[in-house]
Amino acid sequence: ELKVEQNPLFLSMQEGKNYTIYCNYSTTSDRLYWYRQDPGKSLESLFVLLSNGAVKQEGRLMASLDTKARLSTLHITAAVHDLSATYFCAGAFYFGTGTSLTVIP
Amino acid sequence: ETGVTQSPTHLIKTRGQQVTLRCSSQSGHNTVSWYQQALGQGPQFIFQYYREEENGRGNFPPRFSGLQFPNYSSELNVNALELDDSALYLCASSSYGQGGTKNIQYFGAGTRLSVL
Repeated sequence: ELKVEQNPLFLSMQEGKNYTIYCNYSTTSDRLYWYRQDPGKSLESLFVLLSNGAVKQEGRLMASLDTKARLSTLHITAAVHDLSATYFCAGAFYFGTGTSLTVIP
Repeated sequence: ETGVTQSPTHLIKTRGQQVTLRCSSQSGHNTVSWYQQALGQGPQFIFQYYREEENGRGNFPPRFSGLQFPNYSSELNVNALELDDSALYLCASSSYGQGGTKNIQYFGAGTRLSVL
């Protein structure tokens, strides 16, 4: 079973700042996902990364994958309040515990 | 809106009872996965169905069972409910084996189950 670890678990950041969420996974996975979940809501797919060195960007979020290091990152640029949510990374069916992001005005 | 619908949205049961949760896949998707998400936790994989057959299972006991129908809709059945079964149950559909956007999972809004 793939083990997925995220850090930090909780992140409070000011608007306009940059930060990175890290996701380590235990064994080879042919794909890595990032999801967003708002309180009381379901999961929204943000990115799927399929190969080593893959980088995807959408707005203020950029995700990358290093399969050799078994590491994926989600970089937040110039955070805004609307980005406040819980972010999960997942390898196939196995999810990390999530990073709860709060952006403070 | 993902096109994945789940019913019911909320459910209250007592310990020992049985429950059936339902999921309609997004049009064109042939694979359904079920997850359990306890409060404050990440989703835990229960199982996946592809073309009406179980295609992978997480670390859940046999009292968690499922079905997938020819129209690719699905059911999750849980027997002998326990208090720890209280959680949000999420269904996700995807198109297995197709290139490009393959294996992106589209999640339904979930069924919140409370076991008293």
